Amino acid sequence: GQNIDQPTEMTATEGAIVQINCTYQTSGFNGLFWYQQHAGEAPTFLSYNVLDGLEEKGRFSSFLSRSKGYSYLLLKELQMKDSASYLCAVRDQAGGSYIPTFGRGTSLIVHP
Amino acid sequence: DTGVSQDPRHKITKRGQNVTFRCDPISEHNRLYWYRQTLGQGPEFLTYFQNEAQLEKSRLLSDRFSAERPKGSFSTLEIQRTEQGDSAMYLCASSFGAPGANVLTFGAGSRLTVL
Repeated sequence: GQNIDQPTEMTATEGAIVQINCTYQTSGFNGLFWYQQHAGEAPTFLSYNVLDGLEEKGRFSSFLSRSKGYSYLLLKELQMKDSASYLCAVRDQAGGSYIPTFGRGTSLIVHP
Repeated sequence: DTGVSQDPRHKITKRGQNVTFRCDPISEHNRLYWYRQTLGQGPEFLTYFQNEAQLEKSRLLSDRFSAERPKGSFSTLEIQRTEQGDSAMYLCASSFGAPGANVLTFGAGSRLTVL
C-alpha cells in the first residue's frame, strides 16, 4: 500500500504564493492527483502527474519527482476562495486495481 | 449531465439501525467507487465497481457493509446494525475507465450521524 504524507495545515496571505508538499511511498506508482475540497463539499480535481516535471494550469501548478516520491502543488496569486483542504492522492497499480489512495489533506487558510 | 448524485445528503439514525445510501454516477462512467471521510481526514477507500462487478473491497470494510451495482448504473451502500463509529461522510465517485488519468469525479456525499 501507500504511505502518503502532507502537512496538516498551512496559512498564507492573499496575493501570495504557497507550496503544499506531498511525499509518498508506493510499490507500483501509476499517477498522482491533487484535489481541492471546500468544507462540506465534494473533492474537485485540480491536477494529475504521471511523469516527472511541472504541470501548469492557470494559477495552479503541480510538480512530480518519482525518484524522490515527492510532489508539490503551487498556488499563485492566492485568493480568499482558495481557503480549502488540498488532498494528495496516489494511484498504485499493484494488484491491478488502480485505485487512488488519499492523504489526510492540507488545510489552507488564506487571510487578508 | 448533472454529475454524480448521492441520496440522501444527510441521515441521522440510532445505533443498531440499518441505513442505505444511493449513488447515481455520470452516465458514461463505467467505474464507481465508495469512500468514507471523517473530519480532518482524507477519503478512505471502501469498495470499487467496474460495470456491475465489485472488483475490490477494503480489508477495513466490516461485514456489516455491503454494496451493489445491479445493472452497472446506480449503486447502493448499505450499513447494517450501525455503530457510532460509522458516523462519517460517505462519498461516491465515478470515472471512465480509459487509459490515462482516469480522473475520479465525486458526488457531494451522504453524511451519516449515528446517535
